[in-house]
Amino acid sequence: DAGVTQSPTHLIKTRGQHVTLRCSPISGHKSVSWYQQVLGQGPQFIFQYYEKEERGRGNFPDRFSARQFPNYSSELNVNALLLGDSALYLCASSLAYRGPGNTIYFGEGSWLTVV
Amino acid sequence: GESVGLHLPTLSVQEGDNSIINCAYSNSASDYFIWYKQESGKGPQFIIDIRSNMDKRQGQRVTVLLNKTVKHLSLQIAATQPGDSAVYFCAENLYSGGGADGLTFGKGTHLIIQP
Repeated sequence: DAGVTQSPTHLIKTRGQHVTLRCSPISGHKSVSWYQQVLGQGPQFIFQYYEKEERGRGNFPDRFSARQFPNYSSELNVNALLLGDSALYLCASSLAYRGPGNTIYFGEGSWLTVV
Repeated sequence: GESVGLHLPTLSVQEGDNSIINCAYSNSASDYFIWYKQESGKGPQFIIDIRSNMDKRQGQRVTVLLNKTVKHLSLQIAATQPGDSAVYFCAENLYSGGGADGLTFGKGTHLIIQP
């Protein structure tokens, strides 16, 4: 079975531009979360979506937005890119919103470089 | 600040020895803890998890120990192999794997296997 898939794997953008990153969860998983991982640090929580609704948001500016589609895939959008947005963006999926045994699986990420 | 941290940024062990990676957390309300392995250029890979109502859980070659009294988590890897070389992150969550706050990660420990 396919794991969490993300696209694109690498991209380079210019300051001020916007970017859209895409994620397909594991088949049957209804929850998708997004994390930002800056080099040398652990991932930081951005959003969680479950059944197409935002269920959680981390400490990120409004330039960051996301949505989940009826097929449970998701997009992360970042507007007005800053150099500091350069990072690995990770998508994670899980069966449910939360609860015992709700294991969270990560994709390989999208490497974003802002120049 | 981060509520989950690791004591050592780098741990070097001999191939075949057992490895112990430690993690301290500060939020006594956390009820779910996970260890992830992240190889260079890849996304975090789920290793093992434990809920706060347990103090030990075993998997294949790995054991996680939870000491709630001192808010300490450890990952033990038996008979370390070259393929175990990676950065290991502990993560905590308030809502059993999801919820509004997502996972909180520490900075990670880089495990280096000496031949």
